[in-house]
Amino acid sequence: DIQMTQSPSAMSASVGDRVTITCRASQGIGNYLAWFQQRPGKVPKHLIYAASSLQSGVPSRFSGSGSGTEFTLTISSLQPEDFATYYCLQQNTYPWTFGQGTKVEIK
Amino acid sequence: QVQLVESGGGVVQPGRSLRLSCAASGFTFSRHGMHWVRQAPDKGLEWVTVISFDGSNKFYADSVNGRFTISRDNSKNTLHLQMNSLRPEDTGVYYCARWSGDILTGSFDLWGQGTLVTVSS
Repeated sequence: DIQMTQSPSAMSASVGDRVTITCRASQGIGNYLAWFQQRPGKVPKHLIYAASSLQSGVPSRFSGSGSGTEFTLTISSLQPEDFATYYCLQQNTYPWTFGQGTKVEIK
Repeated sequence: QVQLVESGGGVVQPGRSLRLSCAASGFTFSRHGMHWVRQAPDKGLEWVTVISFDGSNKFYADSVNGRFTISRDNSKNTLHLQMNSLRPEDTGVYYCARWSGDILTGSFDLWGQGTLVTVSS
C-alpha cells in the first residue's frame, strides 16, 4: 500500500500568516492527490483535486502543488475559519490512503 | 433533499458483527461510486472501502479486507457495510460519502453525518 506522510503533525499560526503543509507519498502517485479540511465536529471538505486544482467555491488563498511523491498545500493568508485539520489523500491506487493529518491551531 | 443518512452503529463486543446502512435521497444514487471513511475518536481519517456505481467493483483497506463487505441496492438507494470479526481498533465514526466524477478530477461532494461504532467488551 502507498503510505502518505504529512508534516508537520500540528502547527500554531496567526491570522494573516502564510501556512504550508507537506505530504509525501511512499511511491510515485503522479498528481492523484487531494486535500481536505475538517473543522471540529464537521465532515471533511474537499479543497483540492489533482494536486493543484481548486474545488468550486474554495477560496483562492488555498493552493496546492507537487507531483510524484511530494506535495504541498499552501494557505496564503490564514483566516479565522481556516483553523482546522488538513488531510491529504492519494487516489492513484486502491486502497486509497489518507495522511495522518495536520492540525492548524491559533497562536 | 440531497442527503446521505447512516444508521446501524452501536456498541458491539469484539468478534461480533454489525451492519451499517446509508440511505441516499434527492439524487440518482445508481450513478455514483460510494465510499466508507472512518475516524477513530480524536484520530485522523481512514479510507475503508469503495463500491462502483453498479456494484461490480469493490476495494478495501488492508485493515478491513476479509472482514468487511460493502454492497449496495440501487433499487432501494441504499449502501451497506457488513462488518464481521470486529476489533477494538474498528471503533470510530463511520461516514458514507458520495464520489462524483472520475478519479482524478472528481470529489467527495456529499457526506453523511456519520454513525458511531464502538467495539468493546
